[in-house]
Parts: sequence; C-alpha cells; structure tokens
Amino acid sequence: KTQVEQSPQSLVVRQGENCVLQCNYSVTPDNHLRWFKQDTGKGLVSLTVLVHENDKTSNGRYSATLDKDAKHSTLHITATLLDDTATYICVVGDRGSALGRLHFGAGTQLIVIP
Amino acid sequence: DMKVTQMPRYLIKRMGENVLLECGQDMSHETMYWYRQDPGLGLQLIYISYDVDSNSEGDIPKGYRVSRKKREHFSLILDSAKTNQTSVYFCASRNNNQAPLFGEGTRLSVL
Repeated sequence: KTQVEQSPQSLVVRQGENCVLQCNYSVTPDNHLRWFKQDTGKGLVSLTVLVHENDKTSNGRYSATLDKDAKHSTLHITATLLDDTATYICVVGDRGSALGRLHFGAGTQLIVIP
Repeated sequence: DMKVTQMPRYLIKRMGENVLLECGQDMSHETMYWYRQDPGLGLQLIYISYDVDSNSEGDIPKGYRVSRKKREHFSLILDSAKTNQTSVYFCASRNNNQAPLFGEGTRLSVL
C-alpha cells in the first residue's frame, strides 16, 4: 500500500512562473519529511527537511510547509528556471536516526518550458 | 567531497546470469541502502546495512543478496538474474539523522 502520495503526477510550467507540488502521506510515526530533486538519469539530492508541526522552510527559490495533523506537505518553487526541470520526490522518515525507514513517493515530474 | 559512487552505471545481462552492483562511500557512514526505482513507483528498499556484516532485509529482498565487508563498500548481488529485475538501482548512505546521500544509479537491463 502506497503510504506517500504525490500530486500532480506531472506538471508543465513556463519559465518564470511559480508552481506548487503536493505530498500526502499516511506514514506513522512521521518523524520528518524531506523533499528531493532528481535530475534525469541522476541520483536524489535533498532540497529541504521539515520536522515539526507547521514547519516552514526556505532554500532559495524553494520553500516548503508541513502540516503534521493533516499529514500533508507542499513544495513551492518560485520564478521557475529551465534547470528546475526534474522529478521532485517527497520522502517521509519514521524515525530521526538512521535506524528508521524512509518512505518514498513516486514523484512529481516538473517540466519548465521557455 | 562527500560522494556515493556506483559502478557500473549501465549494465546489460542475460536472464540467468549473475550480477554484481558495487557501491562505495568515503564518509565512513555506518548505514547504507540499496533501492530500486521503477516507473510510477517510489524507491523500494531492497536491503539496509547498519555496519560491516550487519545487514537486514528491506521490503523486496527476494532475488537479491548483499555483502558489506568494509564500512565504505556495499555490494548488491543478483544470483541468476530475472527479467523483472530490470530497473534502476540506487545506493545511498546516511549518518544519524542527516539527509541520505545517493549515488547516481545503475541502470540494469536483464534480457
């Protein structure tokens, strides 16, 4: 059973536009949530981590929120660039230590066009 | 420079052949992982290793085995590969509660 659901599955935006990616999960316990960026043919690179209820983080043009009550997170990308074209993956960790399991969403494929 | 290195990057094998995927990290991380990534699915955990000779099955271990004889090196072995093991395999390593570092993946095709 999929415990991490991402939407939309794919998204096309024009360079300069903003976009929002969604992540809903049912993982329990939910110690933390990470967003990763995966360029085509590459590995996953961590963008940001959210730990606490109602956490908000910002990393340049990327910002993220977490609502632990609703088990929901959003990733906002502001003023998209062509290099933002990638798959964005939501990952929920059930423990803070490396002993915990990581639960991966299938990803949102973002395509930024000129 | 912190890095997880996977070899080879691309591999084509025939059904029934043995496959060895290698992963190395230079950060002395204790925990290492092997995942596979298939279209439309999230990464699925094959095996996790907590240190040398301390390995545990993940969610889909059937058809795979692993070896970790040195902390910096974690191997994934497919004995008699099957066509449904065609996939992209990712190795990752992690220290405590930090973000896991991923390799760039090995794209395996079993014909």
